[in-house]
Amino acid sequence: AQSVTQLGSHVSVSEGALVLLRCNYSSSVPPYLFWYVQYPNQGLQLLLKYTSAATLVKGINGFEAEFKKSETSFHLTKPSAHMSDAAEYFCAVRTAGNNRKLIWGLGTSLAVNP
Amino acid sequence: GAGVSQSPSNKVTEKGKDVELRCDPISGHTALYWYRQSLGQGLEFLIYFQGNSAPDKSGLPSDRFSAERTGGSVSTLTIQRTQQEDSAVYLCASSFGTQETQYFGPGTRLLVL
Repeated sequence: AQSVTQLGSHVSVSEGALVLLRCNYSSSVPPYLFWYVQYPNQGLQLLLKYTSAATLVKGINGFEAEFKKSETSFHLTKPSAHMSDAAEYFCAVRTAGNNRKLIWGLGTSLAVNP
Repeated sequence: GAGVSQSPSNKVTEKGKDVELRCDPISGHTALYWYRQSLGQGLEFLIYFQGNSAPDKSGLPSDRFSAERTGGSVSTLTIQRTQQEDSAVYLCASSFGTQETQYFGPGTRLLVL
C-alpha cells in the first residue's frame, strides 16, 4: 500500500527566504509523485510531478522538487518566497493499480511574512 | 470545456435530506475521480470512473453514497440521508486516461446542519 507523510502542518517563512516543504512516501512500486497547491477558496492546481524521468523536477511559479529514492522523499523547494506563495500545499502519490487514484498527505499550510 | 466545473459551489442542507453534486469534466477526459476534503482528515478518494463504469468504489464511506456517470461525461455524486459528518468539500478531477495528470474542479462545499 502507498502512503504519504508531510512533515509540518504549518510552515512560516519570511518573504525572500527559502521555502522547504517536506514529503515522504511509502510505495512498493516505483512511485509517481505530485505536488498540488490550493490557494484560499480555490481548487487544487498542479505544481509539478515526478514520473520516473529526471529526479529534479521543475514546476510552475519557481517551485521544484527532487525525488530521492534512498530517502523516499520528494521535498518541495523554492529559493525565494513571495507573498503570493501563501497557500496550502499537498503531496500525493499515485497508486499502482489500474485506477491510478491519488493518495494524499494531510497538507502543509505555508505562511509568508513581510 | 476550459476546465473541470462543479455545481453547486456551496450547499447547505438539513440532516436527513438527500443531496446531488454534479461534476462536468474536461471534454475528452475519460477518467473521472471524486475526492472528499474534510477538516483534519485531508483528501480522501471516493470513487473512480473509466468511461461510464466505476471499477473502484472502495472509497465510498457508506451505502448512503452513490455516484453515476452518463455519456462518458457528466457525473453525479448522491448522498442520501445526509449526516453532519458528511460536511466537507467534495472535489472532482478528470484526466485523459488513467496515465495522465488529474485536473481538479473548484469543489462543492457541503454543510449539513
